[in-house]
Amino acid sequence: DQQVKQNSPSLSVQEGRISILNCDYTNSMFDYFLWYKKYPAEGPTFLISISSIKDKNEDGRFTVFLNKSAKHLSLHIVPSQPGDSAVYFCAASAKTSYDKVIFGPGTSLSVIP
Amino acid sequence: GAGVSQSPSNKVTEKGKDVELRCDPISGHTALYWYRQSLGQGLEFLIYFQGNSAPDKSGLPSDRFSAERTGGSVSTLTIQRTQQEDSAVYLCASSSYLTEYGYTFGSGTRLTVV
Repeated sequence: DQQVKQNSPSLSVQEGRISILNCDYTNSMFDYFLWYKKYPAEGPTFLISISSIKDKNEDGRFTVFLNKSAKHLSLHIVPSQPGDSAVYFCAASAKTSYDKVIFGPGTSLSVIP
Repeated sequence: GAGVSQSPSNKVTEKGKDVELRCDPISGHTALYWYRQSLGQGLEFLIYFQGNSAPDKSGLPSDRFSAERTGGSVSTLTIQRTQQEDSAVYLCASSSYLTEYGYTFGSGTRLTVV
């Protein structure tokens, strides 16, 4: 049973517009959430994270929003750039599962010039 | 080293053969993780090391899979009697306990079982 879900396998966005990637989770013990970005033939790279005590974390063009009651988080990229085209993985961790991070299936983002 | 190094980058093996995948973590990183990504799937947790011990082996798919870590550094993931469903990209990551969630991934080993 998938504990971290990304229901959109792919997303296309025009350059300069906002990209919104969504993620849902089922395990209420998760208290730390991360987004990773992956280019083909490379390992995932850490992008941004958020603790469950916050509802928003911003880093440049990237903002992550967390809605604990809905068990939902989203990653906003604005403005989107062609170099943002990659697979984005949502991930989550619980203190009780120290250091074990559970990844979602990923969303492939294409930013069209 | 500067990053997490994995070898080989690609491996094609015949069904039934054993394979060994190697991971060289970032120097000083105490924690090491193995994940795999099958075609069209997300990252599946396999095993986690803290130092040389493996507190969590829950993700190993079967007893054909084993992993060890020596000297708190290099780790090898061994798959015995490979099957076609073992074909995947095997990713290794490491982190320092000071940055508990700061995984740094290697580029992975693409394993193809024919």
